[in-house]
Amino acid sequence: GAVVSQHPSWVICKSGTSVKIECRSLDFQATTMFWYRQFPKQSLMLMATSNEGSKATYEQGVEKDKFLINHASLTLSTLTVTSAHPEDSSFYICSAPTDGMNEQFFGPGTRLTVL
Amino acid sequence: AQRVTQPEKLLSVFKGAPVELKCNYSYSGSPELFWYVQYSRQRLQLLLRHISRESIKGFTADLNKGETSFHLKKPFAQEEDSAMYYCALRHGANNLFFGTGTRLTVIP
Repeated sequence: GAVVSQHPSWVICKSGTSVKIECRSLDFQATTMFWYRQFPKQSLMLMATSNEGSKATYEQGVEKDKFLINHASLTLSTLTVTSAHPEDSSFYICSAPTDGMNEQFFGPGTRLTVL
Repeated sequence: AQRVTQPEKLLSVFKGAPVELKCNYSYSGSPELFWYVQYSRQRLQLLLRHISRESIKGFTADLNKGETSFHLKKPFAQEEDSAMYYCALRHGANNLFFGTGTRLTVIP
C-alpha cells in the first residue's frame, strides 16, 4: 500500500520557537493532504486540509497564522507551528488520500513537546 | 453537525470470545463509515469501510441506518486483535471525522 512519512517523529522545543513538521507521500502523488492533532486519550481532530498549489483550508477554531501549512509539491506538505506554547504540545498526524480519494494513508505522527 | 460516538474507551475480552465494538453516528447526509485500527507502535490504518461490505481479519461491520450504528464485530477474538480501534465518518471531499476510539485488549 501507499506510504506516508513524517519528519521528525518527535521534537522538543522551547516556548516561543517555531517548529516545522514534514509530511511526505513516498510512492504516490497527493494533491491533498490532511493534518490532524491528537491530545492524550482523545480522538484525532482535523486541523486543516493542505492543497497543492493553493491555500490550505482550516477547520473552525484553528488559527491559520499559528499553524502555517505549505503544500510545496505533490509529495510534500509542511506544518509549521509558530511561536509554540506548551498548550501546543500534542501528537500531529498527517494523511494523504490516493487518487479518487478512496482511502487515506496516515503518517506515523510527530510528537511535539513545548517546554 | 456530524458526530461519531464510541461509548467504550476500553474493552477486554478473552481469546476466542466474540467481540463487538460499538459505534453510533449522527450525520444529516448519506454517511460513509470506516473502521481504522492502530496496533501498538504502528500508524493508523484502514480496517474496513461499509461500502465494501467485506470481512477483514475476521472483522465485519454493518451499517444500520435505522439505529445509526456501525458496530464492528468478530466472532472469535485473537490476541493479535489487541489494538486501538477508531470509527470514522467521511464528510466533505474526504474529511474524516473520528470517534474517540476503543482500546481492545484480548486476554490470552
